[in-house]
Amino acid sequence: QSALTQPASVSGSPGQSITISCTGTSSDVGGYNYVSWYQQHPGKAPKLMIYEVSNRPSGVSNRFSGSKSGNTASLTISGLQAEDEADYYCSSYTSSSTPWVFGGGTKLTVL
Amino acid sequence: EVQLVESGGGLVQPGGSLRLSCAASGFTFSSYWMSWVRQAPGKGLEWVANIKQDGSEKYYVDSVKGRFTISRDNAKNSLYLQMNSLRAEDTAVYYCAREAAAGRIDFDYWGQGTLVTVSS
Repeated sequence: QSALTQPASVSGSPGQSITISCTGTSSDVGGYNYVSWYQQHPGKAPKLMIYEVSNRPSGVSNRFSGSKSGNTASLTISGLQAEDEADYYCSSYTSSSTPWVFGGGTKLTVL
Repeated sequence: EVQLVESGGGLVQPGGSLRLSCAASGFTFSSYWMSWVRQAPGKGLEWVANIKQDGSEKYYVDSVKGRFTISRDNAKNSLYLQMNSLRAEDTAVYYCAREAAAGRIDFDYWGQGTLVTVSS
């Protein structure tokens, strides 16, 4: 059981927008602005897409955006493209015994 | 270009040992905290261990404490994970990841991973 809760799957058509949620507690997501999102294509390394809730690393498309409300963080992908089909993981700093917790991952299918 | 290349994975029997390596290039290795993150087959990501720039601080997830040891050789731009007393539940792809600098708490670069299978 992962520490952060994500939906197992989401889907959308090209051009649409989708949102992936990531729910934690006040000890992680709700307590710190250190939520990050990673994209992972099959058999590939994870890639950082969002850090510190809503910041995009250089080179990441502005179609990707992040936000947080209370204990839930969200990743929104607008203008869906076929290449966005991948697994997405959220992560947060935590005050528990380990510095990071991850979500279980969400499989995005572009219809 | 930042590159992280893991090696050393393979099939090992329960109770056995394995040493993973991660060769870093394209950045000043000695300036960054480094981590190992693993992913069991079909499962999510799990942080395993990290090490400070000079190796003076090391931290581990509870499930590997006393069995795994993280280390680094800044002269060789390399990160290591010595894994002893391996268990079936340690089966996973192990990723080497760079922790972002400047007070950030995320992983800005990852290697391709190396598969560790613990089975008799």
